[in-house]
Amino acid sequence: SAVISQKPSRDICQRGTSLTIQCQVDSQVTMMFWYRQQPGQSLTLIATANQGSEATYESGFVIDKFPISRPNLTFSTLTVSNMSPEDSSIYLCSVTPRIQETQYFGPGTRLLVL
Amino acid sequence: AQSVTQLDSHVSVSEGTPVLLRCNYSSSYSPSLFWYVQHPNKGLQLLLKYTSAATLVKGINGFEAEFKKSETSFHLTKPSAHMSDAAEYFCVVGDGGYKLSFGAGTTVTVRA
Repeated sequence: SAVISQKPSRDICQRGTSLTIQCQVDSQVTMMFWYRQQPGQSLTLIATANQGSEATYESGFVIDKFPISRPNLTFSTLTVSNMSPEDSSIYLCSVTPRIQETQYFGPGTRLLVL
Repeated sequence: AQSVTQLDSHVSVSEGTPVLLRCNYSSSYSPSLFWYVQHPNKGLQLLLKYTSAATLVKGINGFEAEFKKSETSFHLTKPSAHMSDAAEYFCVVGDGGYKLSFGAGTTVTVRA
């Protein structure tokens, strides 16, 4: 399985600011994803990070709020823009080494917006 | 479309006794099914997965799950709970591609 790291592991931010979360994998992977886990809730897919092209967003999520980059096969960033307290969540990166294989998750970034 | 229902939001067991976490699924495809565990302040760890091979799937840390197509169930069991099993458990169904649908989660508490 892939080893996935995320930075930062946690942060406390002021409303109206933006935070960029990094996801680094120790090997090249086909697909990378970003999920949100709101307090006490299950996971919701935000988007699929596509290398060299715009991310594919799920219903309810938009690029202006959650811009995503994926410059290569081992790295992706998610930015949470113009934050409000409702954005307080755990944000998780996941990867699939090859299509139709198991998804492996990073440790998550715990975000609190005041 | 696919969906997952975890029948228990919270399960409390005594250390050394069996654990049963119930999961029913709905899928238009031949499903891929997973159980993930999330320990406090940690990410998700894969416990086991079913991908149309043996119906009884063995995972890590003594967990296993049985796929029952007739009942559309994929219940997770462990014969003897350990204190370290206290965590949140998610049943997940895949669409055969990359889309995953997560259950609401079951919180497991282990009493000494």
